[in-house]
Amino acid sequence: DGGITQSPKYLFRKEGQNVTLSCEQNLNHDAMYWYRQDPGQGLRLIYYSQIVNDFQKGDIAEGYSVSREKKESFPLTVTSAQKNPTAFYLCASSRGQTNTGELFFGEGSRLTVL
Amino acid sequence: GEDVEQSLFLSVREGDSSVINCTYTDSSSTYLYWYKQEPGAGLQLLTYIFSNMDMKQDQRLTVLLNKKDKHLSLRIADTQTGDSAIYFCAESIQGGSYIPTFGRGTSLIVHP
Repeated sequence: DGGITQSPKYLFRKEGQNVTLSCEQNLNHDAMYWYRQDPGQGLRLIYYSQIVNDFQKGDIAEGYSVSREKKESFPLTVTSAQKNPTAFYLCASSRGQTNTGELFFGEGSRLTVL
Repeated sequence: GEDVEQSLFLSVREGDSSVINCTYTDSSSTYLYWYKQEPGAGLQLLTYIFSNMDMKQDQRLTVLLNKKDKHLSLRIADTQTGDSAIYFCAESIQGGSYIPTFGRGTSLIVHP
């Protein structure tokens, strides 16, 4: 079945460590996104990519990095520069600019910093 | 600029109708969406409405759009316990990148 797979579902990190969250899609979508979700704050856009080898910062990119070397993959690295990394991270994809803007989401990755 | 506002909580009795409200600020919005998030999971698109429409109905779901007041609502008929979730309103703008802007989400609690 087509969809978006995020891994790991739960991740624990010590302060000062970088961690990478995986996001893979087999929907042949051009665009991919990373959101951060905190209780009562909705979804905030971290980074997005509309085409391979290109990506743009979202509203809260500081302390995060991404790459888009393949169409189906958009990993997110949470660096030690991110001051408050404990959150639920959601990856999404869409067909790109010619569609209705519908996003398809993965099941999320919950990162806890100890 | 873009801003989407929702109330944070709604509690209803099983079998009643639920109405979740949303206001947005950008008059050039093209698409308006309702997403559902169950606990510990990602979001799923429930329905969307194009900005030149006033209403859209899909089984138990009715979406109403008041463009003058920039108000969007989602009505769930015969609400069931399985409808308990967080509901997000979102908008996207034509001519941009179509990246939706999300509200903070409304937690719907359905009790017997």
